[in-house]
Amino acid sequence: DTGVSQNPRHKITKRGQNVTFRCDPISEHNRLYWYRQTLGQGPEFLTYFQNEAQLEKSRLLSDRFSAERPKGSFSTLEIQRTEQGDSAMYLCASSLGDGGNQPQHFGDGTRLSIL
Amino acid sequence: RKEVEQDPGPFNVPEGATVAFNCTYSNSASQSFFWYRQDCRKEPKLLMSVYSSGNEDGRFTAQLNRASQYISLLIRDSKLSDSATYLCVVNTPSNTGKLIFGQGTTLQVKP
Repeated sequence: DTGVSQNPRHKITKRGQNVTFRCDPISEHNRLYWYRQTLGQGPEFLTYFQNEAQLEKSRLLSDRFSAERPKGSFSTLEIQRTEQGDSAMYLCASSLGDGGNQPQHFGDGTRLSIL
Repeated sequence: RKEVEQDPGPFNVPEGATVAFNCTYSNSASQSFFWYRQDCRKEPKLLMSVYSSGNEDGRFTAQLNRASQYISLLIRDSKLSDSATYLCVVNTPSNTGKLIFGQGTTLQVKP
């Protein structure tokens, strides 16, 4: 399967713990996006990378959140000192090219539950 | 006001029915428009892009009205397998690829 891969699929943790998610985009895709989706809502943009450069961050991304894409391939999203409100599905997507018309391919997501 | 607004539904229709979903967007400078489909607890998948001239893909027809900032999706001859949430999606004016999603409209096709 050469689609976008995310792991873990599910993460359950206690409030206050740190968590890290990984996303492996489709190879050759230079753009990588992170979104968050809560129940009954559409995905909300968090941040995106073009190659290794993080070009935009949403106001939703508080200082507890950090994302990296060190070699322009896979990316990690870390949440420090998790809170109840962080419970959501975290989706990664990748696309090819520089323009906004390229379709984004989504991974299965990581479902985070904060106890 | 939300940047992309959709009626969440649910729309309950019998097999074979024609159903239409509408969506409005707030930023007149938006450049690209899409419909994505999302099955329960699955990732969104691109259904079709939406072009100014309107476009069709089998039983699916998408329309864009830039003057009214309105996007529509028409599904003809509904199948049970069309049951899903349909997300109206707009690209930000800077055309960075950052997508703005609507809340989604839930469709349930019944036998």
